[in-house]
Amino acid sequence: ELKVEQNPLFLSMQEGKNYTIYCNYSTTSDRLYWYRQDPGKSLESLFVLLSNGAVKQEGRLMASLDTKARLSTLHITAAVHDLSATYFCAVEETSGSRLTFGEGTQLTVNP
Amino acid sequence: DTEVTQTPKHLVMGMTNKKSLKCEQHMGHRAMYWYKQKAKKPPELMFVYSYEKLSINESVPSRFSPECPNSSLLNLHLHALQPEDSALYLCASSHLLTSSWNEQFFGPGTRLTVL
Repeated sequence: ELKVEQNPLFLSMQEGKNYTIYCNYSTTSDRLYWYRQDPGKSLESLFVLLSNGAVKQEGRLMASLDTKARLSTLHITAAVHDLSATYFCAVEETSGSRLTFGEGTQLTVNP
Repeated sequence: DTEVTQTPKHLVMGMTNKKSLKCEQHMGHRAMYWYKQKAKKPPELMFVYSYEKLSINESVPSRFSPECPNSSLLNLHLHALQPEDSALYLCASSHLLTSSWNEQFFGPGTRLTVL
């Protein structure tokens, strides 16, 4: 059974600082997704990572995938308050369409 | 059109009521999903439809009954729910189950409260 672990689960950081969220998964997969969820809202797709070494960047967020280590990272550069949200990674099992989500990282960026 | 729509946004129902949640997408996606999400938890997969056929049922109680009338529409019929079924119900869609990736696009959700 595929397991996906995110850490940290809670992250409080100051504006302007950098930080990284980690997503580890337990079985072979080369398809990983990052989503953002604001309180009471739906999930917004941030990044699609489809191969070993994939790196995607959008604004202050950069995501990468290391399939050999079964690890993805979401790096936040010079955080701003607008980035406060819960971030989920989700891994697609190679055998089908199911996404297995991590527990989510609740990020709070303080002024 | 690049969005998934869901109605209603909010629903309050008693344990003896019958209600339905609706989901619609016009992106030509052939896979559609229902998820349940409790507060501060990740979404839990309930059902998957592929080409309008049910392909995954995650052992969901029969008081939840999905229906896919056509490739753009997905319904979730609710009957005799329990208070613990109160949650955010999310619909999602994606291109094809056999495509090289399966990015899922989520609707805004229906906030369900069962009294």
